[in-house]
Amino acid sequence: GQNIDQPTEMTATEGAIVQINCTYQTSGFNGLFWYQQHAGEAPTFLSYNVLDGLEEKGRFSSFLSRSKGYSYLLLKELQMKDSASYLCAAMDSNYQLIWGAGTKLIIKP
Amino acid sequence: ETGVTQTPRHLVMGMTNKKSLKCEQHLGHNAMYWYKQSAKKPLELMFVYSLEERVENNSVPSRFSPECPNSSHLFLHLHTLQPEDSALYLCASSQEGDSSRGELFFGEGSRLTVL
Repeated sequence: GQNIDQPTEMTATEGAIVQINCTYQTSGFNGLFWYQQHAGEAPTFLSYNVLDGLEEKGRFSSFLSRSKGYSYLLLKELQMKDSASYLCAAMDSNYQLIWGAGTKLIIKP
Repeated sequence: ETGVTQTPRHLVMGMTNKKSLKCEQHLGHNAMYWYKQSAKKPLELMFVYSLEERVENNSVPSRFSPECPNSSHLFLHLHTLQPEDSALYLCASSQEGDSSRGELFFGEGSRLTVL
């Protein structure tokens, strides 16, 4: 079957760095997506990786290892506004998104 | 503002009611989606309209009925729902084209409570 695993909840300190991991098992693979969802708001697209390696976008970076079925989202210089849920999704061979249950990130002062 | 607007934002209905959720996108996309989001569960894809053709998830009960009159509007008609249908219903749009399907633009959702 197809499956995405990510931690349910993480806590980090303002100004620090946090890494949110995601492992996936899909029938075929056409990329890995990360979304951010603040409480009561719409999920918003953060990043897309289809090749191995690190993609940096400001304070956020996303990494992919296709051979390991593994990705992570790295958030640097954490701010209180980064408190949100982070959704990992893998695209299978039919270009359908398989979603994780999301990681709730709590930032403490 | 994501360019995708959903109404109503909150809806309470009894099990015998009939109601509809509405979604409108202003992004010129040609694919629209309904997702169900329940606490601590992955997003569940319910329906997709792609290039004006409906792609349906067979596991969706018939008490949910989608309608897509044009590429900018999407409805979800609800009737004789069950309490377990209480959830956040998210509409999304994208530009059709392989990996572009993964870059979704979501509305803020309609929070549905079934009594």
